[in-house]
Amino acid sequence: EAQVTQNPRYLITVTGKKLTVTCSQNMNHEYMSWYRQDPGLGLRQIYYSMNVEVTDKGDVPEGYKVSRKEKRNFPLILESPSPNQTSLYFCASSKRRDSTHNEQFFGPGTRLTVL
Amino acid sequence: AQKVTQAQTEISVVEKEDVTLDCVYETRDTTYYLFWYKQPPSGELVFLIRRNSFDEQNEISGRYSWNFQKSTSSFNFTITASQVVDSAVYFCALSEGEALTGGGNKLTFGTGTQLKVEL
Repeated sequence: EAQVTQNPRYLITVTGKKLTVTCSQNMNHEYMSWYRQDPGLGLRQIYYSMNVEVTDKGDVPEGYKVSRKEKRNFPLILESPSPNQTSLYFCASSKRRDSTHNEQFFGPGTRLTVL
Repeated sequence: AQKVTQAQTEISVVEKEDVTLDCVYETRDTTYYLFWYKQPPSGELVFLIRRNSFDEQNEISGRYSWNFQKSTSSFNFTITASQVVDSAVYFCALSEGEALTGGGNKLTFGTGTQLKVEL
């Protein structure tokens, strides 16, 4: 089954304790992204990757890191989480952009609370 | 820069009423894609429709229909005979189509419309 998986689904942590949210897709997609969802703000892109070893900042990258060492995985790293990073996080993947395929597949979401 | 506006923060209707969710977008690209997603209380994002900028035909899928009008930069979503199971947050989103660099197929989302359907 084609899917994007994220782990963990729920996480409560404390300020400053490093954490990683994993994301994996089995569709051989080139593009992967991370979004965060906050009330009244919709979803905003944090980081994206166009292929292995190619990553770039989205609209709200402060406080986050990513890596893309393998095509299928795109972990989101919070080196020193702060309460303002409490949010619902979504990983997404899609094929290389062309004229017919521009659909993003979303993971189930990770609800993060930073105390 | 691309932008999506969903002016309706929350809508409440009684079951079986029709309801329209508004979406207005801004983009400088001539090629772009518009999307609607549903987010039920369980939190996942459910893809509803994708429309490219060259296809202005309205679409109907069961009780759902979409009205795409380039002249007013709108992509509105209508649910006919609403049901309690339609209660969710609905997001409209835009992706610019021709740029090969930057954004990684980035979706720009509106702020969402919370739809509550009551008995």
